[in-house]
Amino acid sequence: GAVVSQHPSWVICKSGTSVKIECRSLDFQATTMFWYRQFPKQSLMLMATSNEGSKATYEQGVEKDKFLINHASLTLSTLTVTSAHPEDSSFYICSAITDRGVAQPQHFGDGTRLSIL
Amino acid sequence: GENVEQHPSTLSVQEGDSAVIKCTYSDSASNYFPWYKQELGKRPQLIIDIRSNVGEKKDQRIAVTLNKTAKHFSLHITETQPEDSAVYFCAARGPNSGYALNFGKGTSLLVTP
Repeated sequence: GAVVSQHPSWVICKSGTSVKIECRSLDFQATTMFWYRQFPKQSLMLMATSNEGSKATYEQGVEKDKFLINHASLTLSTLTVTSAHPEDSSFYICSAITDRGVAQPQHFGDGTRLSIL
Repeated sequence: GENVEQHPSTLSVQEGDSAVIKCTYSDSASNYFPWYKQELGKRPQLIIDIRSNVGEKKDQRIAVTLNKTAKHFSLHITETQPEDSAVYFCAARGPNSGYALNFGKGTSLLVTP
C-alpha cells in the first residue's frame, strides 16, 4: 500500500516551454503533498508544501510564479514549471503523507527527470 | 528552520564490516527521523525510521539510535554487502517544519567485496 505515482518520469523539451508534472496517491488520501528538487549528487531540497484545497506554501527562494502547484484533490497534486530554462533541469520528486498530526512515513514518487535544451 | 547536518559525506568499507552514519538536527520539536537509501536516478527508499519517544530501533542488519538531549541520531549497518552501496540520507521532521522532511546532504556508501 501507500503508492505514489509520478508522471512523466522523463521530459526533454525546449527552453521557454511549460512542463506539467503529476503526482498521484493511488491507494490513500494525501492531505499534504511535498515537492522536492534534487540536483546531481546533491540532497533533496524542499520546494513547496501543498495542502488539498489551499494555496501551496513555497520555501524561501522558490519562485511561486515559475513553479505553479495545484492540489485540487486528495489524490492529485501538479507542479507546472513555466517558461522552463536550462537551469531548471533537475530531478523533481513529490511525496505525500496522510496525516499531518502523526509522525507517519512520507511516501515518494519515482521522480521526474526534467531536461531543458 | 530545521537544519540537518550529516557526516561523513563519503564512506568506504569492506564487505562484512559495519558502517555508521551520523546526523544532528537543530529543532528540538522535531519528532520523526527517517533514513532513506537512494540509488542513482531512483526514488528515496525508506529503510528505517524512529520517533522521538524511542531511543533505538533495529531491523535485521540496520539500526538507528536517537539521542534527543544531544539532538543527534545515527544509522548503523552491520555485515555490509555490496548491494548496500548507495547514497543514504537522514531527515528530520516536526510541527515547525510543516511536516516536510528536512534532509541531510547525504552519505555515499561504497561497500567493496
